[in-house]
Amino acid sequence: DIQMTQSPASLSASLEEIVTITCQASQDIGNWLSWYQQKPGKSPQLLIYGATSLADGVPSRFSGSRSGTQYSLKISRLQVEDIGIYYCLQAYSAPYTFGAGTKLELK
Amino acid sequence: EIQLQESGPGLVKPSQSLSLTCSVTGYTITSGYDWSWIRKFPGNKMEWMGYISYSGSTNYNPSLKSRISITRDTSKNQFFLQLNSVTTEDTATYYCAHVYYGLDYWGQGVMVTVSS
Repeated sequence: DIQMTQSPASLSASLEEIVTITCQASQDIGNWLSWYQQKPGKSPQLLIYGATSLADGVPSRFSGSRSGTQYSLKISRLQVEDIGIYYCLQAYSAPYTFGAGTKLELK
Repeated sequence: EIQLQESGPGLVKPSQSLSLTCSVTGYTITSGYDWSWIRKFPGNKMEWMGYISYSGSTNYNPSLKSRISITRDTSKNQFFLQLNSVTTEDTATYYCAHVYYGLDYWGQGVMVTVSS
C-alpha cells in the first residue's frame, strides 16, 4: 500500500496567518492527490484535486502544490471558518490511502 | 447536483453483519464514475473501504479481506455496503461518496457502533 505521511498532526495559527500542511507519498503518485476539510459534525469537503486544482466553490485562499512526492496545501490567509481537520488522499492506486489528518485550531 | 444519503442501523452486535445503503439522487450510478465507501474511526483515522464502478465492477481494500461486499440496485439508484463478522474495531462513521478526480460528493455519514 502507498503510505501518506501527513504533517503536522496539529496546528495552531492566528487569523490571517499563512498555513501549510504537507503530505509525503511513499512512492510516485503523479497528481492523484486530493485534499479535504472536515468541520465538526460535517462530512469531508473536497478542496483540491489533481494536486493543484481548486474544487468548485472553494475560496481562492486555498491552493495545492507538488514537489516530487511531497504535496502541500496552503491557506494564504486563515479565516475562522477554516478551522477543522484536513486530510490528503492518494487515488493513484488501490487501496486508496488517506493521510492521518491535521487538526487546525485558532491561536 | 449529485446527492448521496446513507442509511442503516446505528448499532450492530459483534460477529454480525453491518449493512448500509447509499441512495443517490441527481445522477444515475450506471452512467459513469465510481461509488465508494469510506469510514472514519474515533480518533480521526480515515479508511477507504472500496468502490463499485458504474459498470458494476468492484475494488476492495485488502485490509478488509473477505469481509466486505459492495453491491447495487440500479432500479433504485442505490449501492450497498455489507461488512461481515464485525468487531468493536469496526465502530466508525461510514460515508458513501462519488469518485471523480477526488471524492467530490459525500453523504452525511452514519455512525455505527459495534457493541453487545
